[in-house]
Amino acid sequence: EVQLLESGGDLVQPGGSLRLSCAASGFTFSTCAMSWVRQAPGRGLEWVSTVTNGGASTYYADSVKGRFTISRDNSKNTLYLQMNSLRAEDTAAYYCAKGGTYSTTWYDYWGQGTLVTVSS
Amino acid sequence: DIQMTQSPSSLSASVGDRVTLICRASQGISSDLAWYQQKPGKAPKLLIYAASTLQSGVPSRFSGSGSGTDFALTISSLQPEDVASYYCQKYNSAPLTFGGGTKVEIK
Repeated sequence: EVQLLESGGDLVQPGGSLRLSCAASGFTFSTCAMSWVRQAPGRGLEWVSTVTNGGASTYYADSVKGRFTISRDNSKNTLYLQMNSLRAEDTAAYYCAKGGTYSTTWYDYWGQGTLVTVSS
Repeated sequence: DIQMTQSPSSLSASVGDRVTLICRASQGISSDLAWYQQKPGKAPKLLIYAASTLQSGVPSRFSGSGSGTDFALTISSLQPEDVASYYCQKYNSAPLTFGGGTKVEIK
């Protein structure tokens, strides 16, 4: 059974940093592209970032480029999102999502989400 | 960047009705489109990929169509458990943009 378990969400002040983790199991993690998708309260889904299966290539939404860094550790089956210079508009539930072999595919499994609140 | 526009933003229909949700891309994306269902308080769930391929385990009352710039998700007979928000997403290239969503309710 595929499982994606996010952690690391918290209340943080504007300008602060946070690192999210997503522990994956039930599939061959190293063969799949992985992504982060967020959803602000009462709003729609927003793609944030994608990393290829080997970690060599990364892609970012303009809204987070230069502030967020996606990475993965295939030896630990874990995906990360380092978030710096956080803003109020980054407040959202952050979902880890499993893609396919290619960097740009649909997401067949999602985690339950972890909540990030940016507020003073 | 390619923009994804969904319509309507919300709809209310009766149980058993045929319901069609629309997704339009600002440029052609071939068939690189997915549809997701999200129930309140839950993570999104994949319904359709490659514009018209039903994900395993999804009821056959859901179907997808279209290519290029115009796409549709059809629920052939709306059920109470279909109350949710529905999102389309393009995945031909980054950014992997989502549409704004359609909220489906029961009349």
